[in-house]
Order: sequence, then structure tokens, then C-alpha cells
Amino acid sequence: DQQVKQNSPSLSVQEGRISILNCDYTNSMFDYFLWYKKYPAEGPTFLISISSIKDKNEDGRFTVFLNKSAKHLSLHIVPSQPGDSAVYFCAASAPLGGSEKLVFGKGTKLTVNP
Amino acid sequence: DTGVSQDPRHKITKRGQNVTFRCDPISEHNRLYWYRQTLGQGPEFLTYFQNEAQLEKSRLLSDRFSAERPKGSFSTLEIQRTEQGDSAMYLCASRWGEDTEAFFGQGTRLTVV
Repeated sequence: DQQVKQNSPSLSVQEGRISILNCDYTNSMFDYFLWYKKYPAEGPTFLISISSIKDKNEDGRFTVFLNKSAKHLSLHIVPSQPGDSAVYFCAASAPLGGSEKLVFGKGTKLTVNP
Repeated sequence: DTGVSQDPRHKITKRGQNVTFRCDPISEHNRLYWYRQTLGQGPEFLTYFQNEAQLEKSRLLSDRFSAERPKGSFSTLEIQRTEQGDSAMYLCASRWGEDTEAFFGQGTRLTVV
């Protein structure tokens, strides 16, 4: 049972344009969400997070949007750069529901073309 | 370097052997997690410690897997009688609060031959 779903295995964008990565979840107890970036043979690197009391969080070129009613979040990267090419994972946890583990999606491979 | 450290980075072992991995979390972090990742999948939760207490364990975790965190500092993950299906990247993460970001180590790549 995949509680966190990233339905696009891959995404390709031009340098300078916006990248939008999507994530859906099924567990209504999730109230803390994170995005990670991963290069091959390395551990995931934290990018940005959002708690369920917010609907938007920004950090430089990265913005995460949360739509609780739709159980959907998205990561916007603007402008996209070739160095952003990596696999992006969405993760969720339910600390108020008694579970602190992070549940990950399968990832979306982003390619930013020069 | 004050990040999460994992040792070894790579391990090749024969089927049936036991292996042990070590994780040193960021020093002020009281929460430590172990994950496993295979090709094309996201990290899969294995187990979680708060200080020295193991508070959550995946139902999928075979009894061949055991983890410890003595004194609430570093942690070890042992796999007994390894099988080829255990081949994966084993990731460790730590954080200091339930609603803060978790920082991952570089992982240990296990290959069972």
C-alpha cells in the first residue's frame, strides 16, 4: 500500500524554466512533509519542508505548496538549473498521530537541459 | 564534518554471512532512523530510536535484522544469515525533533553474492 505517491517517474525541463514535481498522499494523519534530492550513490539531501498548518513554504528557488483537502503537495523550482538534475523524493510523517517515521514516494527523476 | 556518518560505505558478503553497519548521527540529535533503498524505490523505513529506546520497527523487518543504539549515541544494524534479497543501500538518518528535517548519511551499499 503506497501511502505516498509520485506518479511521474521522470521530468525534463529547459534551464531557466520552472520545474514542478508532484506528490499525492493517502494517509490523512500525515501532517509534516519534506522534499529530498538524491544523487546516485549518495544519501538523500534535505531541500524543504512544510507542516500541515501552512499551505506554502519558500526557500530561495524552492517553493513547496500543500493542498490538504486534495492530499497533494508540489515542489516548484524556479529558475531550474542543470545542477538540479537528480531524483527528488517526497516524504511524509505523522508525528501528532504517533508515528515519526518518514514515508517516502518512489521519486521523480528531474533532468534540466542546458 | 558534523554530518551523519556511516561505515562502511560498501560491503560485499557471501550469502549466509552476518554483517554489521554503523551509524554516527549528528551529535545533538536524539532521533535516529534506519532505512533501506533498492533501485527504483524510495527509502523504506526499517526502525527508529529515540535516544537508546527503539520505538518503532517495520512489520516488514525480518527477525534476521537487529538494531541497537547503546547510550543513545551511535547505532548498529546487524543482518544475520544474509540473503541475496538483502542487497540494497542502507541509509541512516538523524534529527532532533519530531517535526524537523532528517539528515541522511551517505549510506552503506550491501551486495550479497
